[in-house]
Amino acid sequence: EVQLLESGGGLAQPGGSLRLSCAASGFTFNTYAMTWVRQAPGKGLEWVSGISGSGVGTYYADSVRGRFTISRDKSRKTVDLQMDSLRAEDTATYFCAKGVGGIALTHNDFWGQGIRVIVSS
Amino acid sequence: AIQMTQSPSSLSASVGDRVTITCRASQGIGNDLGWYQQKPGKAPKLLIYAASSLQSGVPSRFGGSGSGTDFTLTISSLQPEDFATYYCLQDYNHPQTFGPGTKVDLK
Repeated sequence: EVQLLESGGGLAQPGGSLRLSCAASGFTFNTYAMTWVRQAPGKGLEWVSGISGSGVGTYYADSVRGRFTISRDKSRKTVDLQMDSLRAEDTATYFCAKGVGGIALTHNDFWGQGIRVIVSS
Repeated sequence: AIQMTQSPSSLSASVGDRVTITCRASQGIGNDLGWYQQKPGKAPKLLIYAASSLQSGVPSRFGGSGSGTDFTLTISSLQPEDFATYYCLQDYNHPQTFGPGTKVDLK
């Protein structure tokens, strides 16, 4: 059974940092791309970042490029999202999702339950 | 980035109705489009990929069509569990972009 469990959310100050982690199980981790998607309170879905199965390809939304960094650890089977220079508009529920293939340009067939990030002073 | 629009933004329908939602891309994206369903407080669920391919386990009352810039999600006979918000997502190029969503509620 595929499981994705996000951790690391919480409250951060504007300009601060948080690191989200997604622990994956139930599939061959190195084979599949992984994605982070977020949803601000009462708003729609926003694609944030994706990483290929190999970890070589990384991609970002314009709104987070240069501030967020996605990475994956094969041995721990985790995907991390390092979020720096946080802004109030980064406040959202962040979802980790598994791609249907190995390239980062993909749809996502399994999702975590989401984790809340609040950026506020 | 490719801009995705959806229409309508919301609709009211009854059980058994045929429902159609439209998604438009700001440039041609071939058939690189998927549809997701999201219920309140839950993660999205993949329904359709490659514009018209049904994801495993998704009921056959869901169907997708279109190519280029214009796409459609059709629910042939709306069921109680289908009241939700629906989003399109392009996987033609990075950054991937979602449409703003279409909320389907009970008339």
